[in-house]
Amino acid sequence: GAVVSQHPSRVICKSGTSVKIECRSLDFQATTMFWYRQFPKQSLMLMATSNEGSKATYEQGVEKDKFLINHASLTLSTLTVTSAHPEDSSFYICSASVGLAGGTDTQYFGPGTRLTVL
Amino acid sequence: AQSVSQHNHHVILSEAASLELGCNYSYGGTVNLFWYVQYPGQHLQLLLKYFSGDPLVKGIKGFEAEFIKSKFSFNLRKPSVQWSDTAEYFCAVNARGSGTYKYIFGTGTRLKVLA
Repeated sequence: GAVVSQHPSRVICKSGTSVKIECRSLDFQATTMFWYRQFPKQSLMLMATSNEGSKATYEQGVEKDKFLINHASLTLSTLTVTSAHPEDSSFYICSASVGLAGGTDTQYFGPGTRLTVL
Repeated sequence: AQSVSQHNHHVILSEAASLELGCNYSYGGTVNLFWYVQYPGQHLQLLLKYFSGDPLVKGIKGFEAEFIKSKFSFNLRKPSVQWSDTAEYFCAVNARGSGTYKYIFGTGTRLKVLA
């Protein structure tokens, strides 16, 4: 159980275009979904936290107008990279949790999406 | 600011050797602690977690970790590693910041086990 999928797994796009990445919890309802960015040989950097039906909370330094997050249902969250530029090239990972109180949630991670902006 | 440190970035061991990966965090309040593993080509998955109670927690595949509050540490251990343990290991802390809990990950430790 607790499977999270991401689509697409890889995407290559031209500079200036927008890219949408989907994150789905396949066998559970995810109250909270997280979006991370991982640079080579570095840790996961939390970009934003989204709760179903409400606006995402972005981490400091993350442009909310550039990285649009939508969490319209308990099983789907999307990250749209708008007007992508080569510096946005990275590995984007989503995770989902059921939203237990007290910070005891386990996060279930998707396989990641490799974005390359030419 | 809260932070998580993993001091060993790369570890190479022979099969049957014992493993200990260090994890230290900086936060004075209540924390929930996790170790995640990422096998080659796979996504992150939970190894073990500590919320309260016995500070020695056991996880999957023979891993265990000990929470030492006085040292702000949550080191991961395994008495005898196998080739299949080759992976990247991430320590994570979920701590209450300004009103909400936030996950913070360490930089990861890449473990290579030689057959």
